[in-house]
Amino acid sequence: DAMVIQNPRYQVTQFGKPVTLSCSQTLNHNVMYWYQQKSSQAPKLLFHYYDKDFNNEADTPDNFQSRRPNTSFCFLDIRSPGLGDAAMYLCATSRGTGPTEAFFGQGTRLTVV
Amino acid sequence: AQSVTQLGSHVSVSEGALVLLRCNYSSSVPPYLFWYVQYPNQGLQLLLKYTTGATLVKGINGFEAEFKKSETSFHLTKPSAHMSDAAEYFCALIQGAQKLVFGQGTRLTINP
Repeated sequence: DAMVIQNPRYQVTQFGKPVTLSCSQTLNHNVMYWYQQKSSQAPKLLFHYYDKDFNNEADTPDNFQSRRPNTSFCFLDIRSPGLGDAAMYLCATSRGTGPTEAFFGQGTRLTVV
Repeated sequence: AQSVTQLGSHVSVSEGALVLLRCNYSSSVPPYLFWYVQYPNQGLQLLLKYTTGATLVKGINGFEAEFKKSETSFHLTKPSAHMSDAAEYFCALIQGAQKLVFGQGTRLTINP
């Protein structure tokens, strides 16, 4: 059973047109992460939520925003996608206490045209 | 700052041969270490983890890794490669408040 679900799996958006990617979890985990992964690279952390506390990475562009309306859902908003934002976006969760692993969704591959 | 280095961006082995993927870490505190596998157009799946206790850790799909503090290493091995093992492998550690820090990744190719 899928525990971290990302929708859609593939998203095509126009240059400059706002786009939202969604993530839901059935694990009731405290922490939710958004990673950006470009081709042949390691995932790069954009931000994470610990419960409702938002933690932005210092080098995450302002173009990227996130919302977490409740424990189960988290959204990634890209306000004005550029060609350089084309990537795989990975959502992950973890319990947030102790040295626990992160559980990843299947990812959303974003194409910007 | 804590970091992870994976030696070799590409590793190629024959089917049935030993798989060895190398990972070294840098950490000022005892690290919690992970190996993840990623198949094309998929998310990351946990193979195994080391937190405390036994330094030889067994994971899924026949993989195991050994934590060696003296060598600051956490290499991943599998005695006999299978075609289905072809994937990208990431070593990672936890930094600070639950932030995963990844190595650069190693692409494993299995030759028939």
